[in-house]
Amino acid sequence: AQSVTQLDSQVPVFEEAPVELRCNYSSSVSVYLFWYVQYPNQGLQLLLKYLSGSTLVKGINGFEAEFNKSQTSFHLRKPSVHISDTAEYFCAVSWNTGFQKLVFGTGTRLLVSP
Amino acid sequence: EAGVTQFPSHSVIEKGQTVTLRCDPISGHDNLYWYRRVMGKEIKFLLHFVKESKQDESGMPNNRFLAERTGGTYSTLKVQPAELEDSGVYFCASSQYLSGGRNEQYFGPGTRLTVT
Repeated sequence: AQSVTQLDSQVPVFEEAPVELRCNYSSSVSVYLFWYVQYPNQGLQLLLKYLSGSTLVKGINGFEAEFNKSQTSFHLRKPSVHISDTAEYFCAVSWNTGFQKLVFGTGTRLLVSP
Repeated sequence: EAGVTQFPSHSVIEKGQTVTLRCDPISGHDNLYWYRRVMGKEIKFLLHFVKESKQDESGMPNNRFLAERTGGTYSTLKVQPAELEDSGVYFCASSQYLSGGRNEQYFGPGTRLTVT
């Protein structure tokens, strides 16, 4: 079965430090990749997506992610985090065949402290 | 443009009772999805409507869950009778296009269901 793995359940980091949130997926067919963010008491908001083309994808709030097909990874990065980036981040995958559902990882809670 | 809305935001019910969750998608979005997150676990797909038709209900846990989308607009998800393991956050999402998995899904704030 297709799956998405986010190995880090929680990532503590100091403000202005760089951060990388890891995401790996398992699939034998082409995929589309997404990162969503959930701020406290809010719904899920799309940060960025990879559909095709350049493997480096830029999203909102200074985040970017790189699609690596050989390693089946889609890690999320930000060079300098802010307190306001404290949230839970979800990696998700959908497939270009069949139905449209998203398969999510378990989420990574990013904790930014001063 | 209004986003996806869900009602109620929180619901606390006793085991054996019935609860109905409602989702209003973004106007004009034909695709509507339900997902659920049980505490500490991943967000899991429940089902997918295209207009009023169920396109994929492979994620529905059992026949205590009934989803409807009357007239292809809002959707309801009824749990009857509720069990303790049904507790979690229920998310609704909608999207406009139907072309492989390319469509961006817009999520609502979720309904937190607690079954005691």
